[in-house]
Amino acid sequence: LAKTTQPISMDSYEGQEVNITCSHNNIATNDYITWYQQFPSQGPRFIIQGYKTKVTNEVASLFIPADRKSSTLSLPRVSLSDTAVYYCLVVRAGGMRFGAGTRLTVKP
Amino acid sequence: DAGVTQSPTHLIKTRGQQVTLRCSPKSGHDTVSWYQQALGQGPQFIFQYYEEEERQRGNFPDRFSGHQFPNYSSELNVNALLLGDSALYLCASSPAGAILYEQYFGPGTRLTVT
Repeated sequence: LAKTTQPISMDSYEGQEVNITCSHNNIATNDYITWYQQFPSQGPRFIIQGYKTKVTNEVASLFIPADRKSSTLSLPRVSLSDTAVYYCLVVRAGGMRFGAGTRLTVKP
Repeated sequence: DAGVTQSPTHLIKTRGQQVTLRCSPKSGHDTVSWYQQALGQGPQFIFQYYEEEERQRGNFPDRFSGHQFPNYSSELNVNALLLGDSALYLCASSPAGAILYEQYFGPGTRLTVT
């Protein structure tokens, strides 16, 4: 599975849009890109998954360029409760590898 | 609908002992995966069970073993505990053949080895 690289930490303010970019240069044809969110003392929670172009759900948007070597998770109008660690993963059937994640801190 | 449940919540063991952690998957899920999460790090994949068989395994020694029961619940066993085994152990379940690689995680078992 391709290794992912993302910022260690990010700060934002309530109401702002937050974009977290992840690089995955060695992504394979059968791989999907998935993002999870984790609060302290809880298990990770699935946010969104995509293969190419743009995917949007009620929580976030995921932008994937044509070469698929990177992806950007976009969180619209964050609130204090969005403070968490966000993991970018490259996944395929039977395989999922978490990196260190991005610690997002939302300030009032 | 109950999500993924794990027991116990916390556990303290001594170096060299053995431990068994338990997991009940989300209703309708038949695949269970186990992860180890050290403090400040992302979860590391231990293994995955499907149809009572270990289907995938991460880079963990044989001291880590597991089992899946006919009702899809699962156990993680760790023998000869080391101080470095102290971590949050997460169980995740998913339905076989799901289109999305979405796993539902439990709250974890915090294991402390002294």
